[in-house]
Amino acid sequence: DAGVTQSPTHLIKTRGQQVTLRCSPKSGHDTVSWYQQALGQGPQFIFQYYEEEERQRGNFPDRFSGHQFPNYSSELNVNALLLGDSALYLCASSFDRGGIFSYEQYFGPGTRLTVT
Amino acid sequence: GIQVEQSPPDLILQEGANSTLRCNFSDSVNNLQWFHQNPWGQLINLFYIPSGTKQNGRLSATTVATERYSLLYISSSQTTDSGVYFCAVNNGANSKLTFGKGITLSVRP
Repeated sequence: DAGVTQSPTHLIKTRGQQVTLRCSPKSGHDTVSWYQQALGQGPQFIFQYYEEEERQRGNFPDRFSGHQFPNYSSELNVNALLLGDSALYLCASSFDRGGIFSYEQYFGPGTRLTVT
Repeated sequence: GIQVEQSPPDLILQEGANSTLRCNFSDSVNNLQWFHQNPWGQLINLFYIPSGTKQNGRLSATTVATERYSLLYISSSQTTDSGVYFCAVNNGANSKLTFGKGITLSVRP
């Protein structure tokens, strides 16, 4: 049973550039969430995708955008990179059966982005 | 939004000692998870425990939802238990997880 996978593992970009990070959810999962973790902090929610739509969004600017594909995989795009965007980007997947129940979320290994 | 507080922020133990990590949250929750973050950044699922008690080997967890706290117990600690422990909650169906600031555990040989 494949877990959550992310690519690339590491990335170095220059200020002003654009970056795309990728995530494949755990087998059987249909919901993907993205988190940003700055050094020494807990992960912060960026947004969540379900049925190829952005369902929830955290307090992040429009420079952060995403997409979910029919196979449930997802991309996170960040435009006009700032030094402050340097962080570990984590993808989490879960299974949504509707209703009020919340299921366990599983995280990928992360992509470490450095902006110089 | 919901607030999550973890304590203590740092914990240093001698190998073989027991410890209790605490997570307080400010509202009722649908989901509570404990994670261990390894040195490479991977968040490893320890427990999914919105209420009740669970045990897995040397680790156990208890969540008292009515009093809005959860405890993670580590018994007979090992050096490999070192790392950062996060508690995360949500209070809506499949909604975002809100994380605490984490507890850094160092287990000395």
